[in-house]
Amino acid sequence: SYELTQPPSVSVSPGQTASISCSGNMLVDKFVSWYQKKPGQSPALLLYQTSKRPSGIPERVSGSSSGNTATLTISVTQAMDEADYFCQAWDRSTVFFGGGTKLTV
Amino acid sequence: QVQFVQSGTEVKKPGASVKVSCKASGYMFNFYAMHWVRQAPGQRPEWMGWINPRNGDTKYFQRFQGRVSITWDTSATTSYMELSSLTFEDMAVYYCARGNVDTGFDYWGQGSLVTVSS
Repeated sequence: SYELTQPPSVSVSPGQTASISCSGNMLVDKFVSWYQKKPGQSPALLLYQTSKRPSGIPERVSGSSSGNTATLTISVTQAMDEADYFCQAWDRSTVFFGGGTKLTV
Repeated sequence: QVQFVQSGTEVKKPGASVKVSCKASGYMFNFYAMHWVRQAPGQRPEWMGWINPRNGDTKYFQRFQGRVSITWDTSATTSYMELSSLTFEDMAVYYCARGNVDTGFDYWGQGSLVTVSS
């Protein structure tokens, strides 16, 4: 089984930059996706292939990866960004999710 | 537009089976796998498996092997996920989602709550 590890919580002041990490063995070699999840809503795709944004996702959302860690960065954080964030990767044709990070703005 | 409409809340007894549906519309079904993901309260999402609508091929997460079945009805453009031998640990919101390794899961159903209660 493949393990993805995220910090349980991150706090940021409005207008500042939030960074959320996701660690997994040789993660740089895998395509990582990131999702935003708000209570009562379905997850929403923020990034795919580590750093690509689907249409409708603003440029202040970005992603990167190095070694065993992928990072989601949200700049100019707003109150509407307060949510749970999950990373996701494939390993041997199986999908794994991170434990999630609660972002508090 | 791409849309997935799932069936409603289910309440089941331990040991029973549940079958959740996901009607798809608005895209070319053969180009995307249909996945099922569940999330229990306070837990990380858990991938259960996927089906290729083009040929019916399936792959299940090992921990559900033998207990889950994912199907696709071409005429109804609907995917079904059936989970048997339910326990209290199966209480979760179950989602269908479209995607593959290159695209991520770009569209999700609204979720179906499954409650297990004696």
